[in-house]
Amino acid sequence: EPEVTQTPSHQVTQMGQEVILRCVPISNHLYFYWYRQILGQKVEFLVSFYNNEISEKSEIFDDQFSVERPDGSNFTLKIRSTKLEDSAMYFCASSEAEGLYFGPGTRLTVT
Amino acid sequence: GENVEQHPSTLSVQEGDSAVIKCTYSDSASNYFPWYKQELGKRPQLIIDIRSNVGEKKDQRIAVTLNKTAKHFSLHITETQPEDSAVYFCAASTTGGFKTIFGAGTRLFVKA
Repeated sequence: EPEVTQTPSHQVTQMGQEVILRCVPISNHLYFYWYRQILGQKVEFLVSFYNNEISEKSEIFDDQFSVERPDGSNFTLKIRSTKLEDSAMYFCASSEAEGLYFGPGTRLTVT
Repeated sequence: GENVEQHPSTLSVQEGDSAVIKCTYSDSASNYFPWYKQELGKRPQLIIDIRSNVGEKKDQRIAVTLNKTAKHFSLHITETQPEDSAVYFCAASTTGGFKTIFGAGTRLFVKA
């Protein structure tokens, strides 16, 4: 069964540094998403992406965040200048219509 | 803004008993309600969903009910097993919408 994949599984970075989190959605899916989950808390919506543009974004997704689909398979989340509070598990998801299929996540630790 | 409330936050049951998790949503335009199971250190996985034109849906030991008037929906797990132990999240979205809002999660413990 096809799955969403994400790299790296764990990223440690210093405050103020840029990070890029990478995702490969399921190949026939058209909708792509980023969610984050701070340890032990709820899954929070960041952004959705469809037809090569952002469809919706949350208040969390400020100017420090950006997404890109640089080619036909990858979907990336960039955080320009990381803050301590950006430490979380970041999940990429994709869907064909409804129902999200999550990747395994990237644990981002900002020190 | 949209909000999904979920109760209880923790639920402990004896193996073989039933477990019920309840959610309410605020956005009356919501018409799709998925449930996700997240085992420790793993990704959330879709286990069942229901659409607003249906009041109840069942899949083996799990069932979901929806009361659109009251904006309530619930997950029922019967004959619980230790492998049902996980965090369960309810969620709500609109068809064609691009944002799924999650509840805070219920940590289910099934004691053998």
